[in-house]
Amino acid sequence: GAVVSQHPSWVICKSGTSVKIECRSLDFQATTMFWYRQFPKQSLMLMATSNEGSKATYEQGVEKDKFLINHASLTLSTLTVTSAHPEDSSFYICSARDFHRGGYNEQFFGPGTRLTVL
Amino acid sequence: DQQVKQNSPSLSVQEGRISILNCDYTNSMFDYFLWYKKYPAEGPTFLISISSIKDKNEDGRFTVFLNKSAKHLSLHIVPSQPGDSAVYFCAASGDSGGGADGLTFGKGTHLIIQP
Repeated sequence: GAVVSQHPSWVICKSGTSVKIECRSLDFQATTMFWYRQFPKQSLMLMATSNEGSKATYEQGVEKDKFLINHASLTLSTLTVTSAHPEDSSFYICSARDFHRGGYNEQFFGPGTRLTVL
Repeated sequence: DQQVKQNSPSLSVQEGRISILNCDYTNSMFDYFLWYKKYPAEGPTFLISISSIKDKNEDGRFTVFLNKSAKHLSLHIVPSQPGDSAVYFCAASGDSGGGADGLTFGKGTHLIIQP
């Protein structure tokens, strides 16, 4: 149980294009999902908190107009990287909290999406 | 400024022995701590967690110890097995009034279990 999926698992795009990444909780409802980014040999960095039915909360330094987050349902959140540039190339990972399972803030992570911008 | 620090980038342990991974934090508002295991190009897998009201939590081969006064926690794996070889991340969160918080991660420790 507590499975989180992401699609696509990897994507290569040209500079200036937009890329959408989906995050789904498969066997539970998640009112809150989180988006993280990991650069090589670095820790996972929280980008934003995605709340179902309301606007996402972005961490300091993360451009909300560049990283569009939509949490349209209790099982789906999407991250759209707009006008992608090579410096946006990274490993993007989402997580979800199942409030009916686990400890206070146990988050279940998706498998991640490798984005490469040429 | 790293609020969660894992000062050992890598650790090599012989199979069957105890693995001890350490983590320090600076933010006194953190009240929940988690350990995740991660393989390359995969998302982290939850291992074990501990609330700040406890100083120890045990689950099978995994035990997490928390020393609040020292702002230090450690993960003990015993006995260590080859399948334990992975990168281990320490993560922390604070109480934002009952809602779920994003996690603050350390940089990870690469654990290598040698046969």
